[in-house]
Amino acid sequence: DAKTTQPNSMESNEEEPVHLPCNHSTISGTDYIHWYRQLPSQGPEYVIHGLTSNVNNRMASLAIAEDRKSSTLILHRATLRDAAVYYCILRDEAYSGYALNFGKGTSLLVTP
Amino acid sequence: GAVVSQHPSRVICKSGTSVKIECRSLDFQATTMFWYRQFPKQSLMLMATSNEGSKATYEQGVEKDKFLINHASLTLSTLTVTSAHPEDSSFYICSARGFRAGGRAEQYFGPGTRLTVT
Repeated sequence: DAKTTQPNSMESNEEEPVHLPCNHSTISGTDYIHWYRQLPSQGPEYVIHGLTSNVNNRMASLAIAEDRKSSTLILHRATLRDAAVYYCILRDEAYSGYALNFGKGTSLLVTP
Repeated sequence: GAVVSQHPSRVICKSGTSVKIECRSLDFQATTMFWYRQFPKQSLMLMATSNEGSKATYEQGVEKDKFLINHASLTLSTLTVTSAHPEDSSFYICSARGFRAGGRAEQYFGPGTRLTVT
């Protein structure tokens, strides 16, 4: 799997938007961009994924750069419950039967 | 709601004993299950991959005789930590891959099991 680079930590105020960046300069044409998050003492939770176009769901939005070498997870209004480690993971769909490989992720702190 | 369950959620055992952790997919058939381990303030590390009815494939550095994985049905996998030692204390997370109604195959994660070996 191609490598991703994320900041170790970020901080946000409650009810403000949060933009979590991810760099993946070696992404291949068939790599999907997946985002998962892990709340304290819980298993990871799926957030969103995309290939080329921006994606929206009830949890977040995913903005993908035109050259696909970077992406941004957008939480529109951070809440205290959004405090978690956010992982950006690339995976080639041809290998979708293989396990997701987690990097270090970004630890998001949300302050009231 | 949860689609993958783990039992127990936390367990404390004495050094030298064995501990079994169960992982169940609740509303889908999991053709593949994965076991991860996570030490404090670290990321998830894949331990092994198991396909139903087949022997598990272990990652480099993971002892297959110490971490026994059984995937006897499409909804249940178990991880047994044999002769546990304090260094095996960790957060164990299972993950199941399969098709849920109307969707593509995804990898779903359990809530994790906190193992403490004294």
